[in-house]
Amino acid sequence: DAGVIQSPRHEVTEMGQEVTLRCKPISGHNSLFWYRQTMMRGLELLIYFNNNVPIDDSGMPEDRFSAKMPNASFSTLKIQPSEPRDSAVYFCASSLRGQGARNQPQHFGDGTRLSIL
Amino acid sequence: GQQLNQSPQSMFIQEGEDVSMNCTSSSIFNTWLWYKQDPGEGPVLLIALYKAGELTSNGRLTAQFGITRKDSFLNISASIPSDVGIYFCAAYSSASKIIFGSGTRLSIRP
Repeated sequence: DAGVIQSPRHEVTEMGQEVTLRCKPISGHNSLFWYRQTMMRGLELLIYFNNNVPIDDSGMPEDRFSAKMPNASFSTLKIQPSEPRDSAVYFCASSLRGQGARNQPQHFGDGTRLSIL
Repeated sequence: GQQLNQSPQSMFIQEGEDVSMNCTSSSIFNTWLWYKQDPGEGPVLLIALYKAGELTSNGRLTAQFGITRKDSFLNISASIPSDVGIYFCAAYSSASKIIFGSGTRLSIRP
């Protein structure tokens, strides 16, 4: 079975440019999460969606970051304009969440390594 | 806010040794998870725990959900070179928010 698919795997761009990261969750999963991982701060939850609706975006660092989930099989995380301090590995994860069900584990993609020069 | 204190931060092992790591918190959680991350990849789920006191094994790995619901440990028996990597604990609160520990980096002693 295909896992969570992220693209691109690596992105190097100059500061000020727009960056778009893409994620395809596991088919049938209805929750999607975006994380940022750095040496200094570890894994940070940026935003998550349930049934394509953003539920909690309190982790989004600032207005330069935005995320969308237009349908159940696709999500984007956009940074505009990008800055060097945005350099990190960005992970997408998905899980199946049901009404009253136990918290289902999240399954992670292999990440996008972003470098802003 | 809620925080998971994971220890040790790093450890060096000889092949064949048993390994133990843990996560503690001052908060109560109702699900504990353990993940392993290899270089250049995303975290991969090892074990999920849903009930206080639960002890679950996955091959040479064993994890327990602390009886107070504030901690969990992961043991690896008879370590092998492919056990090297970063291990993360994670926990869900009653509000279904997930938080991650800062990771334990496991290396092979030369």
